[in-house]
Amino acid sequence: GDSVTQMEGPVTLSEEAFLTINCTYTATGYPSLFWYVQYPGEGLQLLLKATKADDKGSNKGFEATYRKETTSFHLEKGSVQVSDSAVYFCALTNFGNEKLTFGTGTRLTIIP
Amino acid sequence: GAVVSQHPSWVICKSGTSVKIECRSLDFQATTMFWYRQFPKQSLMLMATSNEGSKATYEQGVEKDKFLINHASLTLSTLTVTSAHPEDSSFYICSAHGTSGDLYNEQFFGPGTRLTVL
Repeated sequence: GDSVTQMEGPVTLSEEAFLTINCTYTATGYPSLFWYVQYPGEGLQLLLKATKADDKGSNKGFEATYRKETTSFHLEKGSVQVSDSAVYFCALTNFGNEKLTFGTGTRLTIIP
Repeated sequence: GAVVSQHPSWVICKSGTSVKIECRSLDFQATTMFWYRQFPKQSLMLMATSNEGSKATYEQGVEKDKFLINHASLTLSTLTVTSAHPEDSSFYICSAHGTSGDLYNEQFFGPGTRLTVL
């Protein structure tokens, strides 16, 4: 079945550091890929998505590129802020299905 | 827009009792809602897909008689954990699937319900 593997956390960075959170997937067909963010005390929110190979999703300074050749969708941000502290989930849907398959989540803490 | 609420946000109950968790889409209609379970430091596990006006579809390994789902309207789905036991203690999260306009084909998540069974 489909699966998502993301780097384990927690990840702690200083403000203005460069962020990468790795995500790889296993899926048949042509999945759509997502990054969700969960801020403390809140529900998951869609951060960005990409629906086909070589697409780049971007939002709030975060970017991720759908790499079919490496089955990856790594999340990056050039300069993180304290307000980016949250748990980040990589996920996919497949075959036009609404069902999301999630990675384990990565807790990110940014220190001033 | 696209807000999903859950009630209660946390609940503590005795073993053997039943607990009902509500999931509401506050400003949009959702023909499909999803129920997830999240264990500490683990990912969200899809339990079931709740369809308005029809029976829920459960994932493999999820007991449908244990976790009763009712999707009675386009804005409300409920999950009832029947005869709860300590192993049912977990964080339960729902999501609602947008079907039109800017909400199309995106899932919107509730804040979750922490269930503790003593």
